[in-house]
Amino acid sequence: QSVLTQPPSVSGAPGQRVTISCTGSSSNIGAGYNVHWYQKLPGTAPKLLIYGNSNRPSGVPDRFSGSKSGTSASLAITGLQAEDEADYYCQSYDTSLSGPWVFGGGTRLTVL
Amino acid sequence: QVQLVESGGGMVQPGRSLRLSCEASGFTFSSYGMHWVRQAPGKGLEWVAVISYDGSNKYYADSVKGRFTISRDISKNTLYLQMNSLRAEDTAVYYCAKVISAYELLFGDTSFDSWGQGTLVTVSS
Repeated sequence: QSVLTQPPSVSGAPGQRVTISCTGSSSNIGAGYNVHWYQKLPGTAPKLLIYGNSNRPSGVPDRFSGSKSGTSASLAITGLQAEDEADYYCQSYDTSLSGPWVFGGGTRLTVL
Repeated sequence: QVQLVESGGGMVQPGRSLRLSCEASGFTFSSYGMHWVRQAPGKGLEWVAVISYDGSNKYYADSVKGRFTISRDISKNTLYLQMNSLRAEDTAVYYCAKVISAYELLFGDTSFDSWGQGTLVTVSS
């Protein structure tokens, strides 16, 4: 059971927009801590996609965006491409016994 | 460009030890805190351990506390994870990861901007 809750899977057709949610609690996202997002392709290292809720590292396409509100955060991907098919993880900081650095359980994105 | 290269994984029997290494290049290693994160087969990412940029402070997940030791050798630009008393549930791909900002406090709201390719540890009899 992950501290941050993500849907196990989402899907969308090429060109469409999808969102992935990340729900936390008052000890992490709700406490004001940032949410970060990672993309992980099978057999490869995680790649930082979004940091500080909505910031993109250099080289990440602007098709990827992040937002945060209350105890939840979302990753949005527009103009879906086949290469976006991957696992996506949210991560935050947690002050409970589960922390300090916690991840969501991951969401598998399938491009139809 | 930042590069992190892990090594040292393999198959080991329960109760035995293993030491993972993570060789860093492309950045000032002594200025950044470093973490180990693992992914068990078919599971999500799990944070394991952290060491401060100067090596003076360390912290561990409860699941490995007392069994794993994180360390770093600034002269060799290398991060280590000494794993003792290994259990079947330690089976995972282990990644080293660099924090995004230099000179961060050990406990901080940070993200991991560079990761190694991972090294597989299998604990089985």
